[in-house]
Amino acid sequence: EVHLVESGGGLVQPGGSLRLSCAFSGFTFSDHYMDWVRQAPGKGLECVARVGIRGKTYTAEYAASVKDRFTISTDDSKNSLYLQMNSLKTDDTAVYYCTRDGGNYRFDYWGQGTLVTVSS
Amino acid sequence: DTQLTQSPSFLSASVGDRVTITCRASQGIRSYLVWYQQKLGKVPKLLIYRASTLQSGVPSRFSGSGSGTEFTLTITSLQPEDFATYYCQQFNSYPLTFGGGTKVEI
Repeated sequence: EVHLVESGGGLVQPGGSLRLSCAFSGFTFSDHYMDWVRQAPGKGLECVARVGIRGKTYTAEYAASVKDRFTISTDDSKNSLYLQMNSLKTDDTAVYYCTRDGGNYRFDYWGQGTLVTVSS
Repeated sequence: DTQLTQSPSFLSASVGDRVTITCRASQGIRSYLVWYQQKLGKVPKLLIYRASTLQSGVPSRFSGSGSGTEFTLTITSLQPEDFATYYCQQFNSYPLTFGGGTKVEI
């Protein structure tokens, strides 16, 4: 059975850094793309970063709003996905979800989310 | 980036009603369109992918159609548990984008 569990959220000051983790089980990372999706309070959904293996190449993509500030990575030995967030802004305040692309172009599994609050 | 525009943004309906939500893409996305349901305080749930394929376990009163730039989600007979916010998402090109959501209320 597939499980995704995020951790690492919390309160951070503007300009600060935070690292989110997503522990996953029930599947092999190399068979799927994985994404971080965020949702600001009372707002809609936004994909911020994506990682996967295309052929033999590890690829990562980012939304323009986080490019050069956020870094997505994985540790296959720990079955974990990460999101390193630097130079945080108040606009980054959101619940961050870890998701799995289940093939056939869909997010079929989501974690429960972890709240990041950027505030002074 | 591909923009997705959902309409309406808010919908008031009754149990048993037929409900249709539209999602329009700013450019062609073939059939790479997904629908999710999100209840208040909960995680989004996958309903339909590839525009019209029902995810396993989702009731058959949900259906999707469309290709290119115009898509619809239809709920044939609204049930109490269907009151939620619905989002479309395109998987045609990165960045993967979502529509603004349609809130379905009693």
